[in-house]
Amino acid sequence: KAGVTQTPRYLIKTRGQQVTLSCSPISGHRSVSWYQQTPGQGLQFLFEYFSETQRNKGNFPGRFSGRQFSNSRSEMNVSTLELGDSALYLCASRSTGGAYGYTFGSGTRLTVV
Amino acid sequence: KQEVTQIPAALSVPEGENLVLNCSFTDSAIYNLQWFRQDPGKGLTSLLLIQSSQREQTSGRLNASLDKSSGRSTLYIAASQPGDSATYLCAVYGADSGGGADGLTFGKGTHLIIQP
Repeated sequence: KAGVTQTPRYLIKTRGQQVTLSCSPISGHRSVSWYQQTPGQGLQFLFEYFSETQRNKGNFPGRFSGRQFSNSRSEMNVSTLELGDSALYLCASRSTGGAYGYTFGSGTRLTVV
Repeated sequence: KQEVTQIPAALSVPEGENLVLNCSFTDSAIYNLQWFRQDPGKGLTSLLLIQSSQREQTSGRLNASLDKSSGRSTLYIAASQPGDSATYLCAVYGADSGGGADGLTFGKGTHLIIQP
């Protein structure tokens, strides 16, 4: 069974640009969530999607947005990039029900210059 | 707002020792608690999931306990090996009103080094 796949693995962007990251969940998982990891703040929750609907959102500015498609694949978009957006962005998928935990992808390393 | 604290922040021990990593959370109304390990520059690998109705889970040399009422969890690693060197992260999540989950809240992690 394939794991959670994130593309691209590495990305370098310039301040002011926008970026789109992609996440393909484990087959059958309908819940996808996104996290930002930085050395200073650690891992922070961005948002969670279930059946194409955003269910919950973390405390991030509106420049951070996402969506989920009918096949459960998800994309995350960051507009007007700032230097502080440099981070490892991790995606996780989860099956529904209390007995299931989150499975993470390998992440996308975004560097803003 | 849920907050998760992990103690110690770093730990260095010789190979073969048994060790305990601690995690505490402020809001006991959690759905599940999950322990992960992260190797440098990599994603997270799930180690153990403890549902809110459970007290502990075991996998190989790992044992995790949960005391929801006191807001604490411990991860016990038996007979540590150099390959156990990594950052260990504790995370909790609640259930949202729609039956989904409200996203993971993570601690800052314990950076563990096992000396050969």
